[in-house]
Amino acid sequence: AQKVTQAQTEISVVEKEDVTLDCVYETRDTTYYLFWYKQPPSGELVFLIRRNSFDEQNEISGRYSWNFQKSTSSFNFTITASQVVDSAVYFCALSEGPYSGGYQKVTFGTGTKLQVIP
Amino acid sequence: DADVTQTPRNRITKTGKRIMLECSQTKGHDRMYWYRQDPGLGLRLIYYSFDVKDINKGEISDGYSVSRQAQAKFSLSLESAIPNQTALYFCATSDFGGEQYFGPGTRLTVT
Repeated sequence: AQKVTQAQTEISVVEKEDVTLDCVYETRDTTYYLFWYKQPPSGELVFLIRRNSFDEQNEISGRYSWNFQKSTSSFNFTITASQVVDSAVYFCALSEGPYSGGYQKVTFGTGTKLQVIP
Repeated sequence: DADVTQTPRNRITKTGKRIMLECSQTKGHDRMYWYRQDPGLGLRLIYYSFDVKDINKGEISDGYSVSRQAQAKFSLSLESAIPNQTALYFCATSDFGGEQYFGPGTRLTVT
């Protein structure tokens, strides 16, 4: 069975600090996708990134970066020079497959609430 | 205009009432999903649909039903609402790649 663990329930940082959100996953599949979503205080869920299991290259997008390590089954998310607008709940998710014509079950972690203090 | 819309955005209803939550999407995706979000529990899948003729139960389907009226429309019904169905409900769509695009959510309160 697949599982996603976000052990950090809440994190508070002061603006401009760097912060890393941890995500550890479990799966028996060799083919899978990993995702991060952001849920700001307004409540909507925003897709941030998808990474497939064959691509272990780290990704950087502006102040955001993602570190995927299959050896430790982790897909961590770092925000550099945090800003108040980064305050949100962040969800990590795992999808096994894809399977031809089949459902890719998506399992979400329980989320990490990040508060950036001005 | 938003790619995925949900109506209503907020709803307060009484125990035992039937209620329908509606979702529409303009992304052209075949796959649609209904989730509920409860504090500390993340997102849990209620139902999903791969096309108009394909409806499947998720992990917490008891007490819910769905209808896929068209590729772009997927409705969730609570046949007889109960207080523990108070939650934030999200509709989502995806293509085969798997990343999901969510609606703005419906906050449902059952008193």
